[in-house]
Amino acid sequence: GENVEQHPSTLSVQEGDSAVIKCTYSDSASNYFPWYKQELGKRPQLIIDIRSNVGEKKDQRIAVTLNKTAKHFSLHITETQPEDSAVYFCAASTSGGSYIPTFGRGTSLIVHP
Amino acid sequence: SAVISQKPSRDICQRGTSLTIQCQVDSQVTMMFWYRQQPGQSLTLIATANQGSEATYESGFVIDKFPISRPNLTFSTLTVSNMSPEDSSIYLCSVEWEGKLFFGSGTQLSVL
Repeated sequence: GENVEQHPSTLSVQEGDSAVIKCTYSDSASNYFPWYKQELGKRPQLIIDIRSNVGEKKDQRIAVTLNKTAKHFSLHITETQPEDSAVYFCAASTSGGSYIPTFGRGTSLIVHP
Repeated sequence: SAVISQKPSRDICQRGTSLTIQCQVDSQVTMMFWYRQQPGQSLTLIATANQGSEATYESGFVIDKFPISRPNLTFSTLTVSNMSPEDSSIYLCSVEWEGKLFFGSGTQLSVL
């Protein structure tokens, strides 16, 4: 089955800096890669996703890149703010049919004011 | 996105008892799932709740411990049976909606 590795487990940055979280996956059939943000005590929220037919997607300060050949994808957050502090999870799945994503172990992002 | 209501939001239970968690969606959905999130950990799939048939359990989870009901396309329950302190965790229902996965607000369970 699919295996998703996520690094780093903890990331500490100063407000205004950029943050990058990286994930690798094992199943070449995976074609959908969502990212979730989970604030303390709250549900995971989908913040951005990318499908395998594109290499990059942006939404304001957030971007995701995908390298299908190398089987890795990354989340980039620019101009970080304290409210970006949360745990971020990457996931990989095969869309269509029985949709069941495999999640990474999570990255705790801390943005210091 | 689909609106997912989950209850209870938290509970403290005694060892050996059972708790049933409810998940209600505001739209009909084909795929509903139940996840467990242990403190500081990732999201682990317990089972897929199938409407009109038995749930499909992941490795390490069994029906006797985590019975699931799915009577229709908008509702599901997860029961945590014969609880022990090791069952203390957050339990989340989730649904696939337009190709994306959305989560309920979670149930924080503490077993004494």
